[in-house]
Amino acid sequence: GDSVTQTEGLVTVTEGLPVKLNCTYQTTYLTIAFFWYVQYLNEAPQVLLKSSTDNKRTEHQGFHATLHKSSSSFHLQKSSAQLSDSALYYCALSSLTSGGNYKPTFGKGTSLVVHP
Amino acid sequence: DMKVTQMPRYLIKRMGENVLLECGQDMSHETMYWYRQDPGLGLQLIYISYDVDSNSEGDIPKGYRVSRKKREHFSLILDSAKTNQTSVYFCASSLRAGDQAPLFGEGTRLSVL
Repeated sequence: GDSVTQTEGLVTVTEGLPVKLNCTYQTTYLTIAFFWYVQYLNEAPQVLLKSSTDNKRTEHQGFHATLHKSSSSFHLQKSSAQLSDSALYYCALSSLTSGGNYKPTFGKGTSLVVHP
Repeated sequence: DMKVTQMPRYLIKRMGENVLLECGQDMSHETMYWYRQDPGLGLQLIYISYDVDSNSEGDIPKGYRVSRKKREHFSLILDSAKTNQTSVYFCASSLRAGDQAPLFGEGTRLSVL
């Protein structure tokens, strides 16, 4: 089956510095889309950005990610972290199953803590 | 307003009791999901429903069953709840197309004592 790996469970960064959250994946079937979700404390996960195109940079709310199928990666980056970015981040993909339906697969999440 | 609604938001049950978690959406999304979230384990897919009475097991279906009799409503049932089913449960929905990001409800925090 498919798998998504987020290598760090916790990332800490100083406010104003760049941050990168890693995401790599393995898929068995056709993968249609890749997502980053953000979950603030005691809230629901919400989609941060989405990509379906290889080597195209996608941006939203100051974050950006580029899908690189050659390296099976979809890392999330921001040039200047803000205190309000502290949250749990999930990388996910949507792929076609053997039954002809789509199924999302989530990584285990990375907690980002931005400190002053 | 596009929204996934979960009821109840908080629930305390005793071990062995039956539990019903309910989820509704008003967007006519064909696909609905149930996840549980535990620290360090992320979002684990319990069941996925592709439409009315078209349900498939996710990655951790043991101990759970689901019901979907109307497109806008998806229930998660725990028969004889166990303490290790204490968790936060999220319902989500999306259009059938594979490039649609699931929209999550606010979650139900279940404690099984």
